[in-house]
Amino acid sequence: KNQVEQSPQSLIILEGKNCTLQCNYTVSPFSNLRWYKQDTGRGPVSLTIMTFSENTKSNGRYTATLDADTKQSSLHITASQLSDSASYICVVRIYNFNKFYFGSGTKLNVKP
Amino acid sequence: GAGVSQSPSNKVTEKGKDVELRCDPISGHTALYWYRQRLGQGLEFLIYFQGNSAPDKSGLPSDRFSAERTGESVSTLTIQRTQQEDSAVYLCASSLAGGAGTDTQYFGPGTRLTVL
Repeated sequence: KNQVEQSPQSLIILEGKNCTLQCNYTVSPFSNLRWYKQDTGRGPVSLTIMTFSENTKSNGRYTATLDADTKQSSLHITASQLSDSASYICVVRIYNFNKFYFGSGTKLNVKP
Repeated sequence: GAGVSQSPSNKVTEKGKDVELRCDPISGHTALYWYRQRLGQGLEFLIYFQGNSAPDKSGLPSDRFSAERTGESVSTLTIQRTQQEDSAVYLCASSLAGGAGTDTQYFGPGTRLTVL
């Protein structure tokens, strides 16, 4: 069964600290993996997209990693800011088919 | 427009009524997606359009749900005889092209549907 699981479900950190969010997937055949940020009451916004051959990709203070062998990805946020408070969603796309599987998200709360 | 727009932003309806939700994708985007997000849960795929055709309707939860797209632009998601379990945020996204590439999906702000 194609699934995407994220951990932790929620996380509270202090402003300025770093954090890492995890994503494990069983989706096959794999095409690419995306991380989205979803602010409360808004649609998700794309942060990174990684294909099978990419191990790491950065977007400002966000760095995503991918291990396609173990089917794991992580999203590392450096020097967190209050505006990073949001849900972070891991999404995996099936190869050669326009279908996406979404994780339930990690809800991050950055406190001053 | 600058982004994907959806209307209405909020819809409250009575059980048994029909509702129509509208999505205006980014101009020129050939792929359009509908998702449902229940409170506190992840996004659930409903249907995907490539142009005006829907090659994948596998996510539609029942025959009360239908969608169409015209002019390779606006799309309407219709829910007939609404039930309380239909209450959710309905999100629309578009991308430049479908296929199996790395094109980015751009999401609208969603329509929050509440069925009383």
